Amino acid sequence: SQQGEEDPQALSIQEGENATMNCSYKTSINNLQWYRQNSGRGLVHLILIRSNEREKHSGRLRVTLDTSKKSSSLLITASRAADTASYFCATPNTGFQKLVFGTGTRLLVSP
Amino acid sequence: GAVVSQHPSWVICKSGTSVKIECRSLDFQATTMFWYRQFPKQSLMLMATSNEGSKATYEQGVEKDKFLINHASLTLSTLTVTSAHPEDSSFYICSASRDSQAQYFGPGTRLLVL
Repeated sequence: SQQGEEDPQALSIQEGENATMNCSYKTSINNLQWYRQNSGRGLVHLILIRSNEREKHSGRLRVTLDTSKKSSSLLITASRAADTASYFCATPNTGFQKLVFGTGTRLLVSP
Repeated sequence: GAVVSQHPSWVICKSGTSVKIECRSLDFQATTMFWYRQFPKQSLMLMATSNEGSKATYEQGVEKDKFLINHASLTLSTLTVTSAHPEDSSFYICSASRDSQAQYFGPGTRLLVL
């Protein structure tokens, strides 16, 4: 299976703390994407990092990509209760933009 | 921009009936639409890829006769779960793409088959 692995599976922190989630994948990629899913809802695209990029920022989000280790991390700084959600990494399958999703990290931010 | 809607947002049906779910891109033309299924506390699993005007491409293990996909226009794709059974109960999510990279996801449809 090409499905990526994410860790931790679940993460519980206090507001104001930083949250780091990791994603590993199996095949060569041209980009990696991170999505957020609130409970029972669709996915929201957060950020895309290309294979020739090592780090990317968007607001309180920081994504890194290490293609040699086939891994990526998502850092959310100064977390808020509203950040509570599941976070998934996704990589395009070869041939087209079919996305293969990781197993996800459930983040709980307590006030 | 890049808003995708799904209808209905939830549906309850009796075993043996068919259910149609619509996916619409509201403010852009989607050359490709994708259908995913997600079981509780699990990741999204791609069911099929749909290009406007052509037959959908199904993932391994997904029955094309059970999950009928029609992509009649650049803004609408439908998924019909035929002869639904309790094991088809799941969260169905569509996404639409207008370029080769980002996908925009609908809010999902929760299906419960009794």
